Amino acid sequence: DGGITQSPKYLFRKEGQNVTLSCEQNLNHDAMYWYRQDPGQGLRLIYYSQIVNDFQKGDIAEGYSVSREKKESFPLTVTSAQKNPTAFYLCASSDVYEQYFGPGTRLTVT
Amino acid sequence: RKEVEQDPGPFNVPEGATVAFNCTYSNSASQSFFWYRQDCRKEPKLLMSVYSSGNEDGRFTAQLNRASQYISLLIRDSKLSDSATYLCVVKTGANNLFFGTGTRLTVIP
Repeated sequence: DGGITQSPKYLFRKEGQNVTLSCEQNLNHDAMYWYRQDPGQGLRLIYYSQIVNDFQKGDIAEGYSVSREKKESFPLTVTSAQKNPTAFYLCASSDVYEQYFGPGTRLTVT
Repeated sequence: RKEVEQDPGPFNVPEGATVAFNCTYSNSASQSFFWYRQDCRKEPKLLMSVYSSGNEDGRFTAQLNRASQYISLLIRDSKLSDSATYLCVVKTGANNLFFGTGTRLTVIP
């Protein structure tokens, strides 16, 4: 089955720790994205990548980092510099027609 | 001003009702428009694209008014399974997707 996988589904961390969220796709898409969603708000773009070894900051990149060493993989690291990291994180990839989302990772930092 | 604005609802309607959602966008250069559906604690999934001439998919009708810069979604004969949050999405350029905050719909038996 083609699709996007994110793991884990739920993640708990202590404040001050970096944490990496995984995103893998087997759709052969070049473009991949990371969003965060907070209650009552729309999706906000963190980073996107149009091709391997290249990525661009989105609207809220501060406190986050990404890498794109393989076409299939686009991991997101939430660093300790992110002031309010608790949120629902969605990874997506796209073809010309639409964006496809992974199931999301719900991160809670205490 | 937000790129995309939606009435957050909630809309509570009885089964069988017709319900309409509107969404406005601020960038007149926007090129593509979509409605996504998001179930509680799940990822958004494409419901339908919105074409200039309007388009219909079963009980769902989407319309675009470029002059007034708004998009609408009409759901006829509402089912319990239609309960979800509906996200209006506007695309401007290759990688600029803007999401509305979503309109929450609950269909009541």
